[in-house]
Amino acid sequence: ETGVTQTPRHLVMGMTNKKSLKCEQHLGHNAMYWYKQSAKKPLELMFVYSLEERVENNSVPSRFSPECPNSSHLFLHLHTLQPEDSALYLCASSQDLASGGIYNEQFFGPGTRLTVL
Amino acid sequence: RKEVEQDPGPFNVPEGATVAFNCTYSNSASQSFFWYRQDCRKEPKLLMSVYSSGNEDGRFTAQLNRASQYISLLIRDSKLSDSATYLCVVGNYGQNFVFGPGTRLSVLP
Repeated sequence: ETGVTQTPRHLVMGMTNKKSLKCEQHLGHNAMYWYKQSAKKPLELMFVYSLEERVENNSVPSRFSPECPNSSHLFLHLHTLQPEDSALYLCASSQDLASGGIYNEQFFGPGTRLTVL
Repeated sequence: RKEVEQDPGPFNVPEGATVAFNCTYSNSASQSFFWYRQDCRKEPKLLMSVYSSGNEDGRFTAQLNRASQYISLLIRDSKLSDSATYLCVVGNYGQNFVFGPGTRLSVLP
C-alpha cells in the first residue's frame, strides 16, 4: 500500500462525456502530480501542485482540467476527450517539490486506465 | 537532446547474471536522482535513491557521476522477479521530476 489511492481504476468514456479522476494521498505530502502514460511510451508530466497551488502546466490541452481543493486531494476533470487520450493516468505525491533532495521521492497511486471510445 | 536518456534495451539476461543500466541527464543543476521500477501495467515504485557517493541495497548498486552527468544501476545475481522496466528519474531545482524513457529487463530461466 503506497498511501496514494486513485479512483476509478478503470474508466471507459465516450468523446462527449464528462468524467473526473480522483487522487487522494494519506502521507501528509505537500506536492501532488498528474502524469499520463500511453502504451509503450514514457511518463509525461501533466500538472504539478504544491500546497494546493498549480506550479506547472505542461502544455496540456484544455480538455484536461485539474483541481486541488486541499493538500490531500487532486482531481482531473475530463471533457470532450479524443481516442488518443486513452492511457494510464497516474497520480503521485512527494513531501516537497523536486528541490527537496534525495529523500524526497515520489509515491505513485495505482493509476486509472482510461479508454476513450 | 532529451533531458534524461537511458539505454534503449531491452536487456534479456539469464538468471544469476549481472546487468548494468546507464542513464544520462542534461541539466547540470539537477539535484536528486532515483531509480524506479515499473512492472507491466502497474505504477512506478521507488527502487532506490542515488547518493552522491554511490550506494548499495542488497543486490543493487547505484552510482552517480556528476562530472559526466550520468547515473548507473548495477543488478547482481539477477532473479526472475527483477524483470521489469527500470526508470531513471532526475529531480531538478524548482519543480520537476523528469523521468527517462525506461529500460526493459527480462531475466530468463
